[in-house]
Amino acid sequence: GESVGLHLPTLSVQEGDNSIINCAYSNSASDYFIWYKQESGKGPQFIIDIRSNMDKRQGQRVTVLLNKTVKHLSLQIAATQPGDSAVYFCAEIAAGYSTLTFGKGTMLLVSP
Amino acid sequence: GAVVSQHPSWVICKSGTSVKIECRSLDFQATTMFWYRQFPKQSLMLMATSNEGSKATYEQGVEKDKFLINHASLTLSTLTVTSAHPEDSSFYICSASTPGQIGNQPQHFGDGTRLSIL
Repeated sequence: GESVGLHLPTLSVQEGDNSIINCAYSNSASDYFIWYKQESGKGPQFIIDIRSNMDKRQGQRVTVLLNKTVKHLSLQIAATQPGDSAVYFCAEIAAGYSTLTFGKGTMLLVSP
Repeated sequence: GAVVSQHPSWVICKSGTSVKIECRSLDFQATTMFWYRQFPKQSLMLMATSNEGSKATYEQGVEKDKFLINHASLTLSTLTVTSAHPEDSSFYICSASTPGQIGNQPQHFGDGTRLSIL
């Protein structure tokens, strides 16, 4: 299930389940979106990206969906594994800019 | 490719001292480097953007005299936390980018520096 902690929402799943992590963004000028995985004590690791002219993009075991109408982004992880346990952040870049704006993050906990 | 290295990975020091953190792009030339700060269970917040050979651009609310950034070469940027105090304790992360976006990623991140001020 999903719970909201003091600062970081947490999603707990069983190994083998599919996970869906959601992100809302507010800048309608954002045209490029990225999902990052951050393990404890490490920097963010690129997972997958999507441009605003697409609504879906697939990678290995991951799919990103973009709904520009409601400014919503999701990351789907298929057959979640214990190694997927980490904090996941969405990030956005506005057209013409180079700076990333990170979302609040979701902690994914995968139980064996 | 596109490896970014930060040093040190962890530092503890006394209040009032200055601490320097290095960020190096190991296998590419980084025209732009970014410095972020992350508190526990929170997101990354951009502190400043630095372009090689020019002054850094600081985000609103970040004291430029407190957080000195130098980007003197295409492979090295440093962040110096001057007269550090316990409230400066945080996880500092750098990233680097270059025109043409190696691997189509806009920024390549280091593994962060955990700074603890006693």
